[in-house]
Amino acid sequence: DSGVTQTPKHLITATGQRVTLRCSPRSGDLSVYWYQQSLDQGLQFLIHYYNGEERAKGNILERFSAQQFPDLHSELNLSSLELGDSALYFCASSTGLAGNEQFFGPGTRLTVL
Amino acid sequence: GNSVTQMEGPVTLSEEAFLTINCTYTATGYPSLFWYVQYPGEGLQLLLKATKADDKGSNKGFEATYRKETTSFHLEKGSVQVSDSAVYFCALSDRANTGNQFYFGTGTSLTVIP
Repeated sequence: DSGVTQTPKHLITATGQRVTLRCSPRSGDLSVYWYQQSLDQGLQFLIHYYNGEERAKGNILERFSAQQFPDLHSELNLSSLELGDSALYFCASSTGLAGNEQFFGPGTRLTVL
Repeated sequence: GNSVTQMEGPVTLSEEAFLTINCTYTATGYPSLFWYVQYPGEGLQLLLKATKADDKGSNKGFEATYRKETTSFHLEKGSVQVSDSAVYFCALSDRANTGNQFYFGTGTSLTVIP
């Protein structure tokens, strides 16, 4: 158990809908990262928050947004969902900014029908 | 820019065989290097890491040495077990990058057969 929790574990929805994925980092970790893992794209970095502030953006679509709250939990919002958004979404946390290992949550499996 | 190139899979080995998974990197600063493992149906777990040149990371019989001259961080294990079947990811984190973005390789799937 990494100490990172993600909810829900599974999510099935329809095209055009909006969903919110939730992540609670390990106790004491200030950084939260979001990743998308699909069969054809591999593990793609989406976005990084540190202590409530956005610090880095990767291959995140404009339909996707995220935020980190004062209690350090984070939410990833996916809107106008398309079939291609079906994937595993991982959250990871780390203690600081640079060079520290990341601890991954179990992931949320999103299926868009 | 930063990137990680990882050996293509899948790799299939017999139990007790020697394992090498190649990983090379490109970095603009002074990266830390990592190997993560993902077992079926689970998230990624840190397997080992190295934070500077010539460091050797090791864990559970796996080893990798940070080679700055060849920009490599190859994963090795002398005798694999069926329980090592998983997907292995090489990754780097560039300390010069204040966003601390991780760069992952594409993953190498390993299957160990009895």
